[in-house]
Amino acid sequence: AQSVTQPDIHITVSEGASLELRCNYSYGATPYLFWYVQSPGQGLQLLLKYFSGDTLVQGIKGFEAEFKRSQSSFNLRKPSVHWSDAAEYFCAVGAGRNAGNMLTFGGGTRLMVKP
Amino acid sequence: EADIYQTPRYLVIGTGKKITLECSQTMGHDKMYWYQQDPGMELHLIHYSYGVNSTEKGDLSSESTVSRIRTEHFPLTLESARPSHTSQYLCASSDNRVAQETQYFGPGTRLLVL
Repeated sequence: AQSVTQPDIHITVSEGASLELRCNYSYGATPYLFWYVQSPGQGLQLLLKYFSGDTLVQGIKGFEAEFKRSQSSFNLRKPSVHWSDAAEYFCAVGAGRNAGNMLTFGGGTRLMVKP
Repeated sequence: EADIYQTPRYLVIGTGKKITLECSQTMGHDKMYWYQQDPGMELHLIHYSYGVNSTEKGDLSSESTVSRIRTEHFPLTLESARPSHTSQYLCASSDNRVAQETQYFGPGTRLLVL
């Protein structure tokens, strides 16, 4: 069974600073990986996804993530954070088509942005 | 942008009442899901469906039930609400005909049972 760990429960950064949110996964085969963002009281919005190919994937809102198989990681990055980026971020791993493409979510990282 | 809707967005109800949370999508997706999310916590899959007349239980045991009579609707029902059911319920859908199958989420329903 797959699992996802987001080691940082809370992160606070200053507006304009760079950001990296960590995600580590455990899965026996090639993983499908996702990052979602959840604003307060809202559903989840897809930021980006990795299925294959280039290990650096670009997403919406200026986010990018890099898949590193050797480290079982899929960290999310943004070079300059905006106050509107304050939200909860969830990393998820998909089980693949043969397992119904079910997702397992990490515990989330809450991002706070200081002015 | 995904077209998936949930109603009501917020619901406060007394113990013992029957409730139905609605979820609908206009994308023709065959797969639909219900997740439960306690405040500040991760999502747990409670139900999913591969298509019409298909329903399966997820990883987290739930007293709720679901039905899938039409492709676009996937309602969740609690026959007798209890305070322990207080949570946020998120509906999602995906198209398993595409290679990069991706789940798209609705805005969620926040349920408070008094």
